[in-house]
Order: sequence, then structure tokens, then C-alpha cells
Amino acid sequence: DAGITQSPRHKVTETGTPVTLRCHQTENHRYMYWYRQDPGHGLRLIHYSYGVKDTDKGEVSDGYSVSRSKTEDFLLTLESATSSQTSVYFCAITRTGTDTQYFGPGTRLTVL
Amino acid sequence: SQQGEEDPQALSIQEGENATMNCSYKTSINNLQWYRQNSGRGLVHLILIRSNEREKHSGRLRVTLDTSKKSSSLLITASRAADTASYFCATDANSGGSNYKLTFGKGTLLTVNP
Repeated sequence: DAGITQSPRHKVTETGTPVTLRCHQTENHRYMYWYRQDPGHGLRLIHYSYGVKDTDKGEVSDGYSVSRSKTEDFLLTLESATSSQTSVYFCAITRTGTDTQYFGPGTRLTVL
Repeated sequence: SQQGEEDPQALSIQEGENATMNCSYKTSINNLQWYRQNSGRGLVHLILIRSNEREKHSGRLRVTLDTSKKSSSLLITASRAADTASYFCATDANSGGSNYKLTFGKGTLLTVNP
């Protein structure tokens, strides 16, 4: 599992509140990714990082921001959560020297 | 936009039968990968095939790639109930960059009945 953990694993919040999801890895891989998974849409890339303080947008980045101040942590923030952001969020890394991604266990977020 | 599209969306078979899933994509690629997701879990990498390869095997898995048709297929032989999961193809677009971004399809839900 490449030592990837996500926290929290489940969260229920209200519309308009800020939410931060954390992805932590223990193997110092350079590339990290945040996806959301929704029925009928598969996985869609939100943001990714290619190093400390180096991030870029993915396919569905509106309403989300990210930060990476340490190699091991990649944070996803919803500044003002909306019901359309109810989803399962997955963090992933690309294992150094390979082209394959390894995924965390996911965070189920419900915005009421 | 989705780069890869799996077909069928759902597949139900009996244990011991073979399962074939297909993936079509739109733009040129460096490689194509298949992932499995058990219900409520993260995705797990199964196999990667590069654009200059035509077929690859891993245990009971066989992947083919036809770059002229922009399509791939995943064959699971002698299926087991434990193979019940969603299967996704993912493409690494040949964009010239090295950010290892993948674009996933919507997946095929495979159910293997005991």
C-alpha cells in the first residue's frame, strides 16, 4: 500500500464550512495526487503535486486548493464546502522509478 | 473528460468462466494500466502495458493493446468469487511531460457468482 494513510476516513459537514483532508505517505515519493470518485464518473483528478510546494490543477479543481509543505503530506482543502463536493476522495502516489500509482484507503465526505 | 472508457459497464459470470473487459481511449499514450477496486476500498494496480507492447501476462491476467484502434482488453481466466470488483483502465497521455498523470475510465463492475 506504499504506506499511504488518509485522515479523516469519514466526515460529515455542513454547507459553507471549510474542510481539510490529509494524505500522508511514509516512503518520500515525489508525486502525489488527489482524486474524487463519484457514481457514473469514475475517478477524476483534482490536484497533483510534483514536489514540495509544487502543485498543479487537475480536471476538476474548482472549489479545491492544495498544499504540500513537506514531502510526506499533501493536504486538500475545501474552502467552503458545497453539497456537490459530497464524494469519496482518494489520495495516490506514483512510486519512484515506476509509472504506477498506489492509492490510499479513501475519505468519505458528506456535505449536508 | 474521460480518456478511457470501459465496456461493458457491468459483467456477471459464473466461477470458472473467463471475463473480458475492454477499454477504448482517444489520444496517443505512453502506457495503459488496469486497476481493481473492491467495494469501499482504494484502487490496486494490476498490470501496465507500454505503447510498444501488444500483449502482457500476469498470473491469470492477460492484457492486450492495439494502438491503431486505441483499445485494450483485460482477460481474467478461470475467475473466482474473489475477483468480484470494479476494474478500471487508466492512460498516461503521451504529453511529453513527466508528471505521471493518469486519466481513468468509469470502470467495469465484474460479479463472479459462486
